[in-house]
Amino acid sequence: EPEVTQTPSHQVTQMGQEVILHCVPISNHLYFYWYRQILGQKVEFLVSFYNNEISEKSEIFDDQFSVERPDGSNFTLKIRSTKLEDSAMYFCASRYSGYPEAFFGQGTRLTVV
Amino acid sequence: DAKTTQPTSMDCAEGRAANLPCNHSTISGNEYVYWYRQIHPQGPQYIIHGLKNNETNEMASLIITEDRKSSTLILPHATLRDTAVYYCIVRGSNDYKLSFGAGTTVTVRA
Repeated sequence: EPEVTQTPSHQVTQMGQEVILHCVPISNHLYFYWYRQILGQKVEFLVSFYNNEISEKSEIFDDQFSVERPDGSNFTLKIRSTKLEDSAMYFCASRYSGYPEAFFGQGTRLTVV
Repeated sequence: DAKTTQPTSMDCAEGRAANLPCNHSTISGNEYVYWYRQIHPQGPQYIIHGLKNNETNEMASLIITEDRKSSTLILPHATLRDTAVYYCIVRGSNDYKLSFGAGTTVTVRA
């Protein structure tokens, strides 16, 4: 069964450093998302991406964050200067056009020290 | 956005049906009811969705009241692997995002 793949599974970075989280969405999907979940808290929407541009973003997704689809298969989330409060599980999701369900990856646990 | 209200937690016996309630009294006409679950430490998993008719798939059934102000997710024969946090989410047909609440923590006991 096709699945959304995220790498790495765990990333430790120093505060102030840039980090890039990688996602390979399901191959024929056209809508892509990033969510995050701080430990013990609810899943929060960050950004949605369609047709090579951001379609919606939350207040969390400030200038420190960016997304990119550098080729036909990868979808990345970049955090330019990480803060301690960016420590969370980051989930990538994708969805096929015309179908309502979004498929989530297993997540990347980001730890900022 | 319409908001949902779910119980914080519930227990269920293995092999029995689990009925998970959700209130969405402010839902508007073009908004769907979605159910996802999250089995720790994985990402959320889609279960089912509906607009006004009852729906059934291989995972669950969704019963929506006639006034659409509440719904119930039914897991017909709960197993230990169904232990998870279950999220009821209301989403418009043109919405891209899912707005997760705290959900219901369901514990299936042997």
